[in-house]
Amino acid sequence: EVQLVESGGGLVQPGGSLRLSCATSGFTFSTYWMTWVRQAPGKGLEWVANINEDGSQKYYVDSVKGRFTISRDNAKNSLYLQMNSLRAGDTAVYYCAIRYSDYWGQGTLVTVSS
Amino acid sequence: DIRMTQSPSSLSASVGDRVTITCRASQGIRNDLGWYQQKPGKAPKRLIFGASNVQSGVPSRFSGSGSGTEFTLTISSLQPEDFATYYCLQHNSYPWTFGQGTKVEIK
Repeated sequence: EVQLVESGGGLVQPGGSLRLSCATSGFTFSTYWMTWVRQAPGKGLEWVANINEDGSQKYYVDSVKGRFTISRDNAKNSLYLQMNSLRAGDTAVYYCAIRYSDYWGQGTLVTVSS
Repeated sequence: DIRMTQSPSSLSASVGDRVTITCRASQGIRNDLGWYQQKPGKAPKRLIFGASNVQSGVPSRFSGSGSGTEFTLTISSLQPEDFATYYCLQHNSYPWTFGQGTKVEIK
């Protein structure tokens, strides 16, 4: 059974940092592109970033470029999102997903507030 | 960036109704479009991929059509479990972009 489990969310002050993790199982992680999508409270979905199988290709939405870094550890079957210089507008539930699939995690809430 | 204009933003319908939701892309995206259903507090669920291919396990009352810039999600006979918010997503070019969402409510 394919499973994706996000962790690492929480409350952080503006300007702070957080690292989200997505632990995966049930599929060959190293052969799939992965995706982060977020959803601000009461708002729609927003694509955040994609990473290819070996981590050599990364794509970001403009609003997080230079602040967020997507990465992966294929030995640990894990996906990450390092978030720096956080702003109130980054407050959202963050989902990891297998690109082009119906497999998503349950989401982890990031709240940026003083 | 490709803008996805989804309409309507909300609709009220009754069980058994036929429902149509539209997404218009600001430029051609071939058939690089998916449709997602989301219920409160849950992750999105993909219904349609490649604009017209129904995801395995999704009821046959859901269908998708379109190519280029105009896309449609149709629910042929609305069921109680279909009341949710629906989003389109284009993955033709970066940044990927979602439509604003359509909330389907009970009339």
